Amino acid sequence: AQSVTQPDIHITVSEGASLELRCNYSYGATPYLFWYVQSPGQGLQLLLKYFSGDTLVQGIKGFEAEFKRSQSSFNLRKPSVHWSDAAEYFCAVVRTQGGSEKLVFGKGTKLTVNP
Amino acid sequence: EAQVTQNPRYLITVTGKKLTVTCSQNMNHEYMSWYRQDPGLGLRQIYYSMNVEVTDKGDVPEGYKVSRKEKRNFPLILESPSPNQTSLYFCASSLKRLAYYNEQFFGPGTRLTVL
Repeated sequence: AQSVTQPDIHITVSEGASLELRCNYSYGATPYLFWYVQSPGQGLQLLLKYFSGDTLVQGIKGFEAEFKRSQSSFNLRKPSVHWSDAAEYFCAVVRTQGGSEKLVFGKGTKLTVNP
Repeated sequence: EAQVTQNPRYLITVTGKKLTVTCSQNMNHEYMSWYRQDPGLGLRQIYYSMNVEVTDKGDVPEGYKVSRKEKRNFPLILESPSPNQTSLYFCASSLKRLAYYNEQFFGPGTRLTVL
């Protein structure tokens, strides 16, 4: 079954530093992949998504992600982190099974930004 | 304003007392879903609905019921809540099926405590 793994539970970076959050997926065909962000006390907001085509995807808030089929990865990046980026980030994949569709989330990576 | 609303936002109840968490969207979305979020487990899907009168189980449906009598509403029912259902619940909707390039819009969440 399709699934995603986020290897890092918690990451701390300094403001202005670059950021890369890892996501590995398990799926035979081309997956539908998403990154969501959850700010403290808030719901989830879509950062970006990948379905096909260009493997480098641009999202909101200056984020981008690169789909690498050879590595089964869809890592999220940002060149310079701002304090307001402190949040929890979730990678997700659409799982199809017997005609039904579900969005399956990774367990999340919590990002702390030091001043 | 396009949005997904949930009520109540916070609820403390006792074991066995039936409760309903309402979810409503004003975007004419076909697909709606309920998730629960627990520390270290990420978001897990409880139930989803691909359209009116069409519902199906997610990954953790035990102890929950849903109904979809109208397109805009998708209430989550706990007939006999137990402490292990203490969690943060999110309702989400998308225009059509997830695989059709659709973003899920999330409600603000309902924090439920069952004593």
